Amino acid sequence: GAGVSQSPSNKVTEKGKDVELRCDPISGHTALYWYRQSLGQGLEFLIYFQGNSAPDKSGLPSDRFSAERTGGSVSTLTIQRTQQEDSAVYLCASSPRQGTGNTIYFGEGSWLTVV
Amino acid sequence: AQRVTQPEKLLSVFKGAPVELKCNYSYSGSPELFWYVQYSRQRLQLLLRHISRESIKGFTADLNKGETSFHLKKPFAQEEDSAMYYCAPGGYQKVTFGIGTKLQVIP
Repeated sequence: GAGVSQSPSNKVTEKGKDVELRCDPISGHTALYWYRQSLGQGLEFLIYFQGNSAPDKSGLPSDRFSAERTGGSVSTLTIQRTQQEDSAVYLCASSPRQGTGNTIYFGEGSWLTVV
Repeated sequence: AQRVTQPEKLLSVFKGAPVELKCNYSYSGSPELFWYVQYSRQRLQLLLRHISRESIKGFTADLNKGETSFHLKKPFAQEEDSAMYYCAPGGYQKVTFGIGTKLQVIP
């Protein structure tokens, strides 16, 4: 596809369970971002991957959160032992490394509800 | 680090009134700045970027280095402008967005 693809689009999970959220960036984009969007909280940066460099994990809220990017393409965000405060929309985005403007392209998001 | 600040969480204006969504930045050098928009039930998308000096959907944004601002303006608001607006820096590094401003256009 032409855009950033995320799955699942919706996930309801029980407190304490682990969840995995997947992101397929736009082909050829070397930068990949994860954000969390909560009601009234704006966009919270979580993690940033750029090519083969070590990821910038400075936004991950706790050690229950982790992310990886395999082969410079697909990324998975994992949340272990989910808590109710993890309920939010998780947005993935990608961006070309080179070129003008460095526009960020977003997926539609994965809506996570922890019950 | 490149940082932006959006001082207003919510801005309500009447249809036909002028709109100004504020964004201030705080870093040196040549800033690259963007406005993104999220309409209801749509994905977040680019609205405009300052290097293009373009007008999109009637919106413009001018970089003011003296005031370190990149405010988004539209002379006459329309109901379909109601959305969340985010200011963001560009550049080849992680991008931290402003908190966003919800624009509500009252019919």
